[in-house]
Amino acid sequence: DQQVKQNSPSLSVQEGRISILNCDYTNSMFDYFLWYKKYPAEGPTFLISISSIKDKNEDGRFTVFLNKSAKHLSLHIVPSQPGDSAVYFCAASGGNTPLVFGKGTRLSVIA
Amino acid sequence: GAGVSQTPSNKVTEKGKYVELRCDPISGHTALYWYRQSLGQGPEFLIYFQGTGAADDSGLPNDRFFAVRPEGSVSTLKIQRTERGDSAVYLCASSLGQGGRAFFGQGTRLTVV
Repeated sequence: DQQVKQNSPSLSVQEGRISILNCDYTNSMFDYFLWYKKYPAEGPTFLISISSIKDKNEDGRFTVFLNKSAKHLSLHIVPSQPGDSAVYFCAASGGNTPLVFGKGTRLSVIA
Repeated sequence: GAGVSQTPSNKVTEKGKYVELRCDPISGHTALYWYRQSLGQGPEFLIYFQGTGAADDSGLPNDRFFAVRPEGSVSTLKIQRTERGDSAVYLCASSLGQGGRAFFGQGTRLTVV
């Protein structure tokens, strides 16, 4: 039973355009959400997070949106760059529980 | 180093053997996590330490898996009688406190042949 779902295994976007990665969750106890980025042969690196008291958090080219009623969050990358090509994982936690991860979305940014 | 360090980076072992995977967390981080990532999947939680004690070991798949953190810093994940299905990348992460942003090591790729 997957508590965090990333339904798109892959996404291809042209350089300069917007990338939108989606994530859904089922556990209403989750109150902290994160996006991690992973390159091959490396561990996941933290990208951006959002707490459930907010609906948007922005950091440079990266913005995360949270829709609590729909139990949905999304990561927007604009403009997309070839160096953004990686696997992106959505993760969530509730209270002090360990992070629960989705299966990831492989983003390819084409020059 | 400043980040989470895992050794070895690669381990090939024969079915039935015992292996130990080591994790050196970021200095001062009290929380330490072990995850396992199989091909095409996200990191799957195994066990979480707060200080020296295992606060949550609900993700360990069976009693062949065990982890320790005797001094509240370095942790070792131990796998007995390895099976081919144990082949995966084992990731360690640490954080300042419970929950929240975790910093990952580069992982240990375990291959059981």
